[in-house]
Amino acid sequence: DQQVKQNSPSLSVQEGRISILNCDYTNSMFDYFLWYKKYPAEGPTFLISISSIKDKNEDGRFTVFLNKSAKHLSLHIVPSQPGDSAVYFCAVYSGGYQKVTFGIGTKLQVIP
Amino acid sequence: ETGVTQTPRHLVMGMTNKKSLKCEQHLGHNAMYWYKQSAKKPLELMFVYSLEERVENNSVPSRFSPECPNSSHLFLHLHTLQPEDSALYLCASSQDLLANEKLFFGSGTQLSVL
Repeated sequence: DQQVKQNSPSLSVQEGRISILNCDYTNSMFDYFLWYKKYPAEGPTFLISISSIKDKNEDGRFTVFLNKSAKHLSLHIVPSQPGDSAVYFCAVYSGGYQKVTFGIGTKLQVIP
Repeated sequence: ETGVTQTPRHLVMGMTNKKSLKCEQHLGHNAMYWYKQSAKKPLELMFVYSLEERVENNSVPSRFSPECPNSSHLFLHLHTLQPEDSALYLCASSQDLLANEKLFFGSGTQLSVL
């Protein structure tokens, strides 16, 4: 049973518009929520994270929102650029020596 | 060279072959990991090493055998694999086990088992 669900396998967005990637999780005990980005033929790279005590974290064009009551987080990219085209993985982490659990990924295509 | 390097990038092997995947990290990290990414599945954690000691083996079949000779190198020895083992194998490192939410991945080895 998947603990992290990314229900949209793909998303297409026009350049300059907002990209919204969604993620749902099942366990309310997770302490950290992460987004990784993966280009073809490369490994995933860490993008942004948020701890469970916050509901928003911003880093440049990337903002992650956390809704703990709904067990839902989202990644907003504004404005979207063609270089943002990649697969985005949502991940959760309980802290300490616990492992990071990944979702299946959402492929974002930003159309010039 | 910086980051996490994996070789080979691609590997095709028969079910009776023995091969090894290599990973090297140049980040001074203390923890290293093997992940498996199969089509349409989440990344699966296979093995975790901290300071060359294996700390987790996620119910991985014995046909996969990891080796960590030092904190910079990690190997995955493969023997008598099955076609369903075809996947992308990713190596990762983190500063230590307590900071493992921020993983640094290599580019992976795309493995095909015939």
